[in-house]
This record gives sequence, C-alpha cells and structure tokens, in this order.
Amino acid sequence: KQEVTQIPAALSVPEGENLVLNCSFTDSAIYNLQWFRQDPGKGLTSLLLIQSSQREQTSGRLNASLDKSSGRSTLYIAASQPGDSATYLCAASGGSYIPTFGRGTSLIVHP
Amino acid sequence: SAVISQKPSRDICQRGTSLTIQCQVDSQVTMMFWYRQQPGQSLTLIATANQGSEATYESGFVIDKFPISRPNLTFSTLTVSNMSPEDSSIYLCNVQQGASTEAFFGQGTRLTVV
Repeated sequence: KQEVTQIPAALSVPEGENLVLNCSFTDSAIYNLQWFRQDPGKGLTSLLLIQSSQREQTSGRLNASLDKSSGRSTLYIAASQPGDSATYLCAASGGSYIPTFGRGTSLIVHP
Repeated sequence: SAVISQKPSRDICQRGTSLTIQCQVDSQVTMMFWYRQQPGQSLTLIATANQGSEATYESGFVIDKFPISRPNLTFSTLTVSNMSPEDSSIYLCNVQQGASTEAFFGQGTRLTVV
C-alpha cells in the first residue's frame, strides 16, 4: 500500500526566502505525482503535475522535481510571498490511478 | 482543465440528520471520487463514484452511511447519513479526465455536526 510522507509538517519563514518542501513515497511504481495548495477550510488547487517519465515541472515561481528511484519529490518556491501561505499537499498515483495524499506542509510566510 | 461546482460550501447540521453534497463538472469525466478530510488530517478516500452502478467503497466506509449516486458523467452526490459529531469534516469531490491525468477538486464542503 502506497504511503506518502511530507516534511516538514510546518514551516514559518520571512518573505523573500526560497523554500523547499519534501515529499516521499514508498512505492516507486507511480504514474504521476501532483502538488496541490489548500487554503484553510477550502478545496485543493492543482499546482503542478509530474508524469512518471518526467523529472521536473515549472510554473512561475514554483518548480517540482521527481526522482522515482529514490521515491522523492520536492517543491521549490522561489522568493516566497505572504500570499503563498497555505497548506501544500503532494499526491502519488499508482496502479489504481487514485491519488494517495501526504498530510501536507503548512506554510506561513510573514511580511 | 475541469471546473467543478460543489454545493453546499458549508453547513451546520443536527446529529441524526442527513446531508447531501452535490458535485457538478463542466465536462464529462471518466473518474469521480469522494474524499474526507478530518480536522488537521490529510485526505482519505471514501469511494469511487461509478456511473450507472454502485459506488466502490474503501475499507471503513459503507453504503448505508455514505450513499453515493452518479447518474451521468458530469454529476455525483454524496450523502452523509445519520450524522454524528465525528462526521464533522471537509468533504471533497475529485475528478480526473482519465488515467494518469491531472486531478481536480471541488471547493469542498465544510460540515459541522452539533
């Protein structure tokens, strides 16, 4: 059974810092890995999707990498802003195509 | 991408009552799922909503408690039956156009049972 772990669980940083959020998964036989953002009490917004054949994806200040062999993905946030404050979740999809989620990293960026 | 409308966005309900949550997608999708997110926790899959047939439930979830309908490829409902305070959670509808494609979520339904 796939298990997804996210480190750190919480992060508080001053505005402008570059951040790295980590995601690890136990079963490397995945089809894709997806990063989401969740604001308090809300649904999930898709940020980046990395297919198993890809190594990374970029969108604006966000860059996500995938290393299937080591069971790891990282989300890099450049020049963080207070508006980036949210919970970030990663999800790995395997044989059933149903995403398995980590518990998330709660990020606070203070001015 | 798919645009998902989930209703209601939040509700406060009395214990013992039932609430039906609706998920409407702006295009036909192959796969629809319902998740629960308890306070401070990650997402737990409740069931896969199958078009025209009974939903497929995950371990720990049963049809009597969480009946699901999916009459077509753009719409599904989840009912939380005979609610108790332990059912207080965010309920989320998730869709995918096909296997290994991007997953999209509705805005979530924040349920509080008192």
